Amino acid sequence: DQQVKQNSPSLSVQEGRISILNCDYTNSMFDYFLWYKKYPAEGPTFLISISSIKDKNEDGRFTVFLNKSAKHLSLHIVPSQPGDSAVYFCAASATDSWGKLQFGAGTQVVVTP
Amino acid sequence: NAGVTQTPKFQVLKTGQSMTLQCAQDMNHEYMSWYRQDPGMGLRLIHYSVGAGITDQGEVPNGYNVSRSTTEDFPLRLLSAAPSQTSVYFCASSYGISGANVLTFGAGSRLTVL
Repeated sequence: DQQVKQNSPSLSVQEGRISILNCDYTNSMFDYFLWYKKYPAEGPTFLISISSIKDKNEDGRFTVFLNKSAKHLSLHIVPSQPGDSAVYFCAASATDSWGKLQFGAGTQVVVTP
Repeated sequence: NAGVTQTPKFQVLKTGQSMTLQCAQDMNHEYMSWYRQDPGMGLRLIHYSVGAGITDQGEVPNGYNVSRSTTEDFPLRLLSAAPSQTSVYFCASSYGISGANVLTFGAGSRLTVL
């Protein structure tokens, strides 16, 4: 039973527009959320994270929003660039989970010119 | 810095064969883990280690063994390969075990079991 769900397997967006990736979770013990980005034939790399005590975290073009009551988080990329074309994984962990992450299935983002 | 190094990058096995996927990190990270990535499933944790001599099972440990004799190395052993173990395997490490610790991943090992 997947505790972290990314219901959109793919997203196509024009260069310069906003990309919005969504992620839902079921485990109320999760208190830290991360987004990883993955290019083909490479390992995932960390993008941005948010603690459950916050509802927003921003890093340059990337902003993550957390709605704890809805158990929902989203990643906004503004403006989208061709280099953002990749698979994005949402991940979550709990304080007492010994660092174990639960990952979503990923969303393939394609940024078109 | 090399970061997390995985070998081999590609491997084809026949059902019943055994093999070891190697993982080494040069960042002096205490925490190391193995994930497998399958289409539509995301990354699932196989085994993890919080330090030399300490390992534990993750979400999908069946058919895999691990050991951690040094801080740097965390090999994953397939004792008798099955087609269901066809996947891409990622090794990852981090400084600590807090959920806030960011994982550094290797480039992956693609395994096909015929």
